This record gives sequence, structure tokens and C-alpha cells, in this order.
Amino acid sequence: AQTVTQSQPEMSVQEAETVTLSCTYDTSESDYYLFWYKQPPSRQMILVIRQEAYKQQNATENRFSVNFQKAAKSFSLKISDSQLGDAAMYFCAYGGSQGNLIFGKGTKLSVKP
Amino acid sequence: DGGITQSPKYLFRKEGQNVTLSCEQNLNHDAMYWYRQDPGQGLRLIYYSQIVNDFQKGDIAEGYSVSREKKESFPLTVTSAQKNPTAFYLCASSPWTSGNEQFFGPGTRLTVL
Repeated sequence: AQTVTQSQPEMSVQEAETVTLSCTYDTSESDYYLFWYKQPPSRQMILVIRQEAYKQQNATENRFSVNFQKAAKSFSLKISDSQLGDAAMYFCAYGGSQGNLIFGKGTKLSVKP
Repeated sequence: DGGITQSPKYLFRKEGQNVTLSCEQNLNHDAMYWYRQDPGQGLRLIYYSQIVNDFQKGDIAEGYSVSREKKESFPLTVTSAQKNPTAFYLCASSPWTSGNEQFFGPGTRLTVL
């Protein structure tokens, strides 16, 4: 069975600085997808970024980028130029052949002004 | 506007009562999902459905039931057999192909009195 581990329950970053959230996963599949979702205080889940495992190039979306290390089964999220609105819970998720997503337990990110 | 709606936003139930949470989508997605979110636990899959009149149990299906009579609707019933039903419930949908992101509704907070 696949598992997703987020080892940092809480993180803090100064506004305008850069922060990296960690995620590791375990799978025996070769084709899969990885996601980072953001859940602000409103509790609405929002997709931040998506990575296909067959692509070597790391995905980027504006200030958000990932470091995908397939051999190490690592999928970290880097947030550059952090803003107050980035404060939220961040969930890493694995999508495999079954179609459903497996989520990590989340990292609570605080942004200090 | 296309999206997923969940109702009600807040729900209170007395012990021993069944209660049904509504989830509707107009995105023409084939797959729909129900998750339960508890503090520190991330999102755990309750049930999912890939097509009408078919659904599968997730990791924590005990004490819950679902139906999928229409493509647009996937209601979740929390039965009296669910020992600890107080939680935040999220519904999601996606096109049924591997690797697609899931789109989430705003959630329902269920409290058992």
C-alpha cells in the first residue's frame, strides 16, 4: 500500500523569505502523480502544484516549485517570496493507478510579518 | 459557475440519529469522493465512486453509507453505527483518468451533541 509522510507538523517563515516543506512517499508503482494542496483557514482545499512522475523536470507555478526526487521518493514544495496569504495547512498527496488520492497528515505554515 | 457544493455547512446531530450530507457537482466529472478530516490526521478516504450506481469503500468506511444514483450527486449518510462522527467532511470530484487533480467542495462540519 502507498503511504505519504510529511515530517514537519508545523513550519514558520518570515514574509518575503523562502520556505521548503518536505514530503516523502512509498510506492511500488512506476507511473503516478504527486500533488500539493493548500487549505487556508476557510478550509477550502486548493491545488497548488502537480507533478507527473514520468517527467524529470520539476513543476513550477509562479512562486511555488517542487523538488521531485523519484529515486529517493521525495517531493518537497518550495515557496519563494512568502506572503501572508500563504499561511495555511499544506497537504502532499499521491495519485496512483486506483485513481484516488492518498494524503499526508499536513504541515501548518505560519508566515510572520 | 461550475463547481462542487456541499450542504449544510454546519450540522448537529443527536447520538443515535442517522444524518445525510449532500454533495453536488456540475463539472461533469465521473468520479466523486468523500473524505473525513480530523485534527492532525490529514484527509482519510471514506468512499469513492467512479461511475453511477457503483462505489467502493475507502480506508474508513465503517459506519458510513453512500449512493450514486446520478452523476452529479454523491450523498453520504453517517449512521448511528459510526462511533465518533464529529469531524469535518469534504467531498471531491475528478475526471476519471489517473493523474487528474481532485476538486473539493467547501466541506461540512458535523457535530454530535
